Amino acid sequence: GNSVTQMEGPVTLSEEAFLTINCTYTATGYPSLFWYVQYPGEGLQLLLKATKADDKGSNKGFEATYRKETTSFHLEKGSVQVSDSAVYFCALRKGYSGAGSYQLTFGKGTKLSVIP
Amino acid sequence: NAGVTQTPKFQVLKTGQSMTLQCAQDMNHEYMSWYRQDPGMGLRLIHYSVGAGITDQGEVPNGYNVSRSTTEDFPLRLLSAAPSQTSVYFCASSYSIPRGELFFGEGSRLTVL
Repeated sequence: GNSVTQMEGPVTLSEEAFLTINCTYTATGYPSLFWYVQYPGEGLQLLLKATKADDKGSNKGFEATYRKETTSFHLEKGSVQVSDSAVYFCALRKGYSGAGSYQLTFGKGTKLSVIP
Repeated sequence: NAGVTQTPKFQVLKTGQSMTLQCAQDMNHEYMSWYRQDPGMGLRLIHYSVGAGITDQGEVPNGYNVSRSTTEDFPLRLLSAAPSQTSVYFCASSYSIPRGELFFGEGSRLTVL
């Protein structure tokens, strides 16, 4: 079945440091890939997405590239801020039709703490 | 700007009790769903609905019931609560099936003693 594996946390970085959170997936076909962010006490929000191989999703300084050859979708940011402290979830959706298209498969989440 | 509203935010139950978690959205979204979030497990889909009168099971449906009588509301019922149902529950909706972004509520933290 489908699965998403992301790096174990927690991750603690100093402000302005470079961030990478690794995400790899297992799925048949051509899934869509997502990063969601959960700030303390809130629900999840979509951060960025990519729907086909070599697509790059970007938002708020974060980027992730859909690499089909390595089945990866790593999240990166060049300079993190204290306000980026949150839990980040990688997720996939199997396709655009059929029962699998209604379900997102999430990774376990990676907690990021950014210190001044 | 209500979006997806969940109630209650916190609830403590005893084993065997029943309760309903409420979810309402004001965005006219066709798709609604319930996830549970457990430490070290990520989010797992419980049930979902693609429109009023249509529901289906997700990954972990046992012990939960849902119904969708209106576009706006999608309640989640626990018929006989068990300690294994202690979790944080999130309702999420989307305007487009299946391409749309999921909009999440703020969550409902349930403890079953």
